[in-house]
Amino acid sequence: DQQVKQNSPSLSVQEGRISILNCDYTNSMFDYFLWYKKYPAEGPTFLISISSIKDKNEDGRFTVFLNKSAKHLSLHIVPSQPGDSAVYFCAGTSRGAGSYQLTFGKGTKLSVIP
Amino acid sequence: NAGVMQNPRHLVRRRGQEARLRCSPMKGHSHVYWYRQLPEEGLKFMVYLQKENIIDESGMPKERFSAEFPKEGPSILRIQQVVRGDSAAYFCASSPPGINSNQPQHFGDGTRLSIL
Repeated sequence: DQQVKQNSPSLSVQEGRISILNCDYTNSMFDYFLWYKKYPAEGPTFLISISSIKDKNEDGRFTVFLNKSAKHLSLHIVPSQPGDSAVYFCAGTSRGAGSYQLTFGKGTKLSVIP
Repeated sequence: NAGVMQNPRHLVRRRGQEARLRCSPMKGHSHVYWYRQLPEEGLKFMVYLQKENIIDESGMPKERFSAEFPKEGPSILRIQQVVRGDSAAYFCASSPPGINSNQPQHFGDGTRLSIL
């Protein structure tokens, strides 16, 4: 049972345009969400997070949107740069329930074309 | 480099041998987490430890796998009598103390375990 789903295994975007990565979740107990970026042969690097009490969080070129009623979140990267090419993982957790385990999606491979 | 350090980066074992994976958390972090990533999959939680305590091992296989985080030294993930299905990337993450901390988990670069 996949509690976090990233339905697009891959995405190609032209440099300078917007990248939109999507993530759906099924666990209603999740109250905190994170996006990680991963290059080959490296560990995931934290990008941005959002608490369920918010619907938007922004950090530079990265913005995460949360739609609780739809159990959907998205990561927007604008403008996209070739160095953004990586696998992006969405993760959820239930901090209010005292859990610290992160439940990850399978990832979306983003390719930014120069 | 004050990041999460994992060693070895690559480990090759034959079926039936033991594998020991080490993780030193970031400076100031006292919470350690282990995750496993199979090919084409996301990371799956295995265990959460604090110094000398296992807090949550709900993701650990019931047999052959164990983890510890002693008072001194790194956290160890131990796999006994390895089988081909144990081949995966094993990632360690750490976070600062504080039950209500909003600090994210920071990951090491992983140990790639290959079973011959």
